[in-house]
Amino acid sequence: DIVVTQSPDSLAVSLGEKATINCKSSQNILYRSNNQNYLAWYQQRPGQPPKLLIYWASTRESGVPDRFSGSGSGTNFTLTINSLQAEDVAVYYCQQYYDAPQTFGQGTKVEIK
Amino acid sequence: EVQLVESGGGLVKPGGSLRLSCAASGFFFSGYTMSWVRQAPGKGLEWVSSIFFDSSYIYYADSVKGRFTISRDNAKNSLYLQMNSLRAEDTAVYYCASMVTNPTGFFQYWGQGTLVTVSS
Repeated sequence: DIVVTQSPDSLAVSLGEKATINCKSSQNILYRSNNQNYLAWYQQRPGQPPKLLIYWASTRESGVPDRFSGSGSGTNFTLTINSLQAEDVAVYYCQQYYDAPQTFGQGTKVEIK
Repeated sequence: EVQLVESGGGLVKPGGSLRLSCAASGFFFSGYTMSWVRQAPGKGLEWVSSIFFDSSYIYYADSVKGRFTISRDNAKNSLYLQMNSLRAEDTAVYYCASMVTNPTGFFQYWGQGTLVTVSS
């Protein structure tokens, strides 16, 4: 199975500042034939189900604020939250869907400093 | 508005069975691969099973293979998960989710989840 590892496990950021979450896959998840990275990001607010934020590593889901952005390729990826808002307090997960079984990172908890 | 509503969770003894249901509305259910994803209390997300739009392909995580059975009824816009031989480690919130791309994919729409507790 492809192992997906996030860092850090948690971080505290001041309102209006930038939060950066890293995600590393144990294998390359860039599919050369379509030049797509098979990686998604989710946000899970307390007591809520996960919500899709980004897929194909950098494509924002409809309705997701543009302060959320995804980048990276191959095995290293980043979710950036620019100008953190109070409603962004949540656990964030990355997920690879390059190979079966699709696997998730362990999650990164984002709090307000 | 897309809605996925799970039901059927509850407390069951080890070795017991439970059937989860997911009622879908607001999107073209019969055109999507559907999945179950679970989350143990205080833990991360784990994919459990997926079924193609026409039930032609079905996949399971190794941890549930041989014990769980996924199925769907497109006429009723419903997804199911029959869980047999339940173990304590199956305790989790079970989410129904629509999946984009096949045979693996990302999860676009999620239900609120239903809690399954396996305990004596």
